[in-house]
This record gives sequence, structure tokens and C-alpha cells, in this order.
Amino acid sequence: EAQVTQNPRYLITVTGKKLTVTCSQNMNHEYMSWYRQDPGLGLRQIYYSMNVEVTDKGDVPEGYKVSRKEKRNFPLILESPSPNQTSLYFCASSFLGAEKGYTFGSGTRLTVV
Amino acid sequence: EDKVVQSPLSLVVHEGDTVTLNCSYEVTNFRSLLWYKQEKKAPTFLFMLTSSGIEKKSGRLSSILDKKELSSILNITATQTGDSAIYLCVPYNNAGNMLTFGGGTRLMVKP
Repeated sequence: EAQVTQNPRYLITVTGKKLTVTCSQNMNHEYMSWYRQDPGLGLRQIYYSMNVEVTDKGDVPEGYKVSRKEKRNFPLILESPSPNQTSLYFCASSFLGAEKGYTFGSGTRLTVV
Repeated sequence: EDKVVQSPLSLVVHEGDTVTLNCSYEVTNFRSLLWYKQEKKAPTFLFMLTSSGIEKKSGRLSSILDKKELSSILNITATQTGDSAIYLCVPYNNAGNMLTFGGGTRLMVKP
């Protein structure tokens, strides 16, 4: 089944403890992206990648890192999480220029205490 | 900076009512506008609009784009409780190959 898989689905962690949220897609998509969703603010883009080894900042990149060493994986790294990074995170992927084929993962609810 | 404004922010109606959700946008290198429905999980695709004035329909939902006014509306007729969700208007920026999400309209349909 074609899908975007995020892990974990839920995570509660403490301030300052490094964490990684994984994202993997099996559709050979070039484009992958991370969003965070906060009440009333919609989905805001954190980072995106148009292909392997090509990543770019979105609207809210501060406090996050990403890497794209393989086409299928696009992990989101929080080196030193803070409470203001408590949010619902979505990974998404598509073929380049195929906005209709955007596929979202199921989301990761992160709480930083 | 690309911008999307949706209105109203929130709406409560009763089953059977008709609702109109509004979206206005400012996007460089605009190519298309998408509508998504988000219930408890990830957004799911509803419509993609690329040309002005052509209405897209899917059952009780319909949408139209006005490229001159940089806006779009989503209509839902004979609403049902299953229509309760956040509706997201999402213009596509061709240059950056990216979707710009608005804050959404939260629709609640009461029995």
C-alpha cells in the first residue's frame, strides 16, 4: 500500500532531550516536507526536500534539523526540544510538481514538558 | 511571503444547512488551489482548482476559484454531522513546489 509512515505517533519528552521523528514513504516521491500544526495557525512548513541531499527551510525552521540521505526517508530532528515545540507534526510527500498527489502521514503528537 | 486567509474561523450549523467557506490568498507563482478536509488525522484531498470560474463538484460539496479576486469558496449543501471537520484552503506555489496552508475553517454540524 502506498503510504507515508511516521513514527512515533505520540511522544512525551523532557526539555533538552534530543529526539528524532522518522518519516518514510514507499512511492518513490522526490518531494518530502514537514509541517507542524497548532490551533488556529493551520499547517506551517518546517523544512522541505526536493530530492536526496537537497533540503530547504520552510516558514518555521528554528529549532529543527532534517536530513535526506535516501529518497524514502526524511527524519525530523529536534536537538534540544523546548515546550514551544509541543505540536502535531505531519510529514508529506509527492512527485515534484504534483500538488494533487500530496500524501500525508498520520501525524506525530509531540509534547515537550 | 505567501499568505492565506480563511473565513470564518469557526462555524456551527445544524444538519441540513448550507455553508459557504471563504479563502483569499496571495501567492507568488500561483499554479493551483487545493481544498482539504481534516478530521482527526491528516488532511485529505477534496478539490484542485486551476482555472477561474469553473466549478468543481463532488456530491454535496462544490468549489470555485476566482483568480482575479485571488479567492475561492467551498460550498457544502445539506450538511451532515460527518461534514464536521477543519477545511483547509491551500494555494500551490509553483516556484517553490510547495503548498501554503491557511489556518482553516472549523465546521461543526449539529444533529
